[in-house]
Amino acid sequence: ETGVTQTPRHLVMGMTNKKSLKCEQHLGHNAMYWYKQSAKKPLELMFVYSLEERVENNSVPSRFSPECPNSSHLFLHLHTLQPEDSALYLCASSQERGPYYEQYFGPGTRLTVT
Amino acid sequence: AQKVTQAQTEISVVEKEDVTLDCVYETRDTTYYLFWYKQPPSGELVFLIRRNSFDEQNEISGRYSWNFQKSTSSFNFTITASQVVDSAVYFCALYMRSGGSNYKLTFGKGTLLTVNP
Repeated sequence: ETGVTQTPRHLVMGMTNKKSLKCEQHLGHNAMYWYKQSAKKPLELMFVYSLEERVENNSVPSRFSPECPNSSHLFLHLHTLQPEDSALYLCASSQERGPYYEQYFGPGTRLTVT
Repeated sequence: AQKVTQAQTEISVVEKEDVTLDCVYETRDTTYYLFWYKQPPSGELVFLIRRNSFDEQNEISGRYSWNFQKSTSSFNFTITASQVVDSAVYFCALYMRSGGSNYKLTFGKGTLLTVNP
């Protein structure tokens, strides 16, 4: 596989469920990102990891818990979500953090919270 | 505060027409970077171009061209002779410091372009 892959592509979960989103990049990049894309709203940066260390957390509720076990994998653990958390969750990676490096995005996971 | 405004929510054109997507940004920093991304129906954003604040040269890449005007804080994107495959959501984004040593890519809301045959 090439590029950035995300699984699952679609997920429906109840508010009391616990699930995880997975992202894998095959590009040898050192930085990885989680974004949330809601209908009619701009993409929102959620978390940034650089060399497996979380370097940014943009006021994201604790019901979202990221994990970066190595530079190729990024997870987003979900628990007790709310219906307003339904969105497309996009993972991205870049060679390093910073504006000189374009971000490569995965296809996203379409999450529906019922 | 930094902000990116894409005033056109949706644009519909007929194939072979030229189309311009507008982007206006706000920032107080003198050093910043502007990007355009394309999001086709498959979902993944595709990088199109990066421009830094010190380089006001316009750029052309095939049917795509970009017009960067610092005086009006605009970074507009033109597709010449549009094709059906150009149908997608296009995002303009601003990359700049969000606090301390952190940087953030701030996106506009996007413009949905539909090119009809």
